[in-house]
Parts: sequence; C-alpha cells; structure tokens
Amino acid sequence: EAQVTQNPRYLITVTGKKLTVTCSQNMNHEYMSWYRQDPGLGLRQIYYSMNVEVTDKGDVPEGYKVSRKEKRNFPLILESPSPNQTSLYFCASSPGSRSGEQYFGPGTRLTVT
Amino acid sequence: GENVEQHPSTLSVQEGDSAVIKCTYSDSASNYFPWYKQELGKRPQLIIDIRSNVGEKKDQRIAVTLNKTAKHFSLHITETQPEDSAVYFCAASTSGTYKYIFGTGTRLKVLA
Repeated sequence: EAQVTQNPRYLITVTGKKLTVTCSQNMNHEYMSWYRQDPGLGLRQIYYSMNVEVTDKGDVPEGYKVSRKEKRNFPLILESPSPNQTSLYFCASSPGSRSGEQYFGPGTRLTVT
Repeated sequence: GENVEQHPSTLSVQEGDSAVIKCTYSDSASNYFPWYKQELGKRPQLIIDIRSNVGEKKDQRIAVTLNKTAKHFSLHITETQPEDSAVYFCAASTSGTYKYIFGTGTRLKVLA
C-alpha cells in the first residue's frame, strides 16, 4: 500500500530532551516536507527536501533540523525542544514538479512540558 | 514575506446550498494553487488544484477559479452535503521551489 508513515504518533516530552520524529514513504517520491499545524495558523512549512542530500528552509525552521540521507526517509529532529514547539506535525511527500499533489502522513502530536 | 490570506475562517451553509472560500496570495511568482480538505482528526488530502495557465478547473461539485491579476483564487462547492463538513486549506507555491504557503483554513459546516 502506497503511504507515508510517521512515528511516533503521540509524544509527550520535557524541555531540552532531544527527540526525532521519523517519516518514511514507499512511493519513491523525490520531494518531502515537514509542516506544523497550530489552531488559527493553518499549516506552516518547517523544512523541505527536493531530493537526497538537498534540503531547504520553509517558513518556520527555527529549532528544527532535518536530514535526507535516503530517498524514502526524512526525519525531523528537535535538538532542544521547548514548549512553543508543542504542535501537530505532518510529514508529506510528492512525486515532484510534474505533480504537485502532496501525500500527508497521519500526523504526530507533540507536547513539550 | 510571502503570505496567503484565507476567508472566511468559518462558514455554515444549509445542505444543498453552495459554499465559496476565497484566498489571496502575495507572491506574484506563485503558479500552483492546491486546495486540501482535512476532516476532524485526519490528515489533509488534496481535493483540487489549479496552475496559473488556466482560469478555472472543475471536478464534479468542486471548482476552483484563479484571477492572476488580482492574485485571488477561490474554491466553489455546489450542492453541499454533510460529508463536505471539514476544514479546507488553500495554498500557493512556485513550480520547482517546493516551498508552500498555506492559508489559515476555513471550517465549513454543512447543516442538514
């Protein structure tokens, strides 16, 4: 089944404790992206990747890191999480420039206390 | 920076009526405009998109119109049904950049 998966789906952590949210797609998509969703603010792009080893900042990259060592995986790293990073996070992938449709993962709800 | 404004933030319509959601973008280089539907507790899913070389696109009860001069694009849903109730997001992007700016969303309620 073609899909985007994220883990974990739910995470409660404390300020300053490094964490990684994994994202994987099995559709051989070139493009992957991370978003955060907050009430009243919609979806805001954190980072995106056009292909392996190619990443760029979205609108809200501060406090986040990403890497794209393999085409299928695009982990989101929070080196020192803070309460303002409490949010719902979505990973998405897309075939590339000919098709703009993004396929979203199920979401990861992160709470930082 | 680039911005996409979306209105209204909430919209209630009677079943069978039409619903219109409007977005305005700021970056004149934007040339791809998707609309996503997000049901409660679910992930966003693409429902329709339009590129800047066309002014209108239809898919059954859903249509999107684009006015490049005014930098406006709109989602039109006709003959609304209860299952259309969801949050709808517009977005703008420029081909080749993969940078997306989303609107803040419209919560549509279709009243039976």
